[in-house]
Amino acid sequence: GQNIDQPTEMTATEGAIVQINCTYQTSGFNGLFWYQQHAGEAPTFLSYNVLDGLEEKGRFSSFLSRSKGYSYLLLKELQMKDSASYLCARGGGYQKVTFGIGTKLQVIP
Amino acid sequence: GAVVSQHPSRVICKSGTSVKIECRSLDFQATTMFWYRQFPKQSLMLMATSNEGSKATYEQGVEKDKFLINHASLTLSTLTVTSAHPEDSSFYICSASGGSLAGDYWGHEQFFGPGTRLTVL
Repeated sequence: GQNIDQPTEMTATEGAIVQINCTYQTSGFNGLFWYQQHAGEAPTFLSYNVLDGLEEKGRFSSFLSRSKGYSYLLLKELQMKDSASYLCARGGGYQKVTFGIGTKLQVIP
Repeated sequence: GAVVSQHPSRVICKSGTSVKIECRSLDFQATTMFWYRQFPKQSLMLMATSNEGSKATYEQGVEKDKFLINHASLTLSTLTVTSAHPEDSSFYICSASGGSLAGDYWGHEQFFGPGTRLTVL
């Protein structure tokens, strides 16, 4: 993805907590999205942050620091079904969204 | 949540033929629809943005004469891959944004269709 950096792969244990980091280009920033994508399927929306801080939504939380061009997705109480790719995406002008390459998370027993 | 459908989900065609993919927002009026392409192990790449009733805006490097986009109504957009070649084989995904039929403005959120896997032989 353009100017969006996130780790390509991560492995975590069932029941644990994992944090997926994302840095992005700050110019023209209009919100930060996180999507979950299972192999062969379309992305599903997880979160949207436009203001600094942490937003919690059940087992998933997302954090944003606009000044640092930094976000993270926090997944708690990991389940096997959480194994998927997690896409960090930056909103820009005219509702355009630029996606990162995604972080492939593998949850192991 | 909003539902977006795509048809067909999978298509196999011969080189040189044209393929039409439909994207429908089932329970809301999509003022804007987006078409993405995703190659294996790569990120979603935006191909074009279309607004109902106007010409699509294509991203740099995307041939508008090859990838024809029509957004004739607030619930339907079509992507036609003309004279498809093997290198066009990819996962094509549409997304839609806009308000609900009741008029609520969701604005920033894009709702994705399930995708169409195109294989050109």
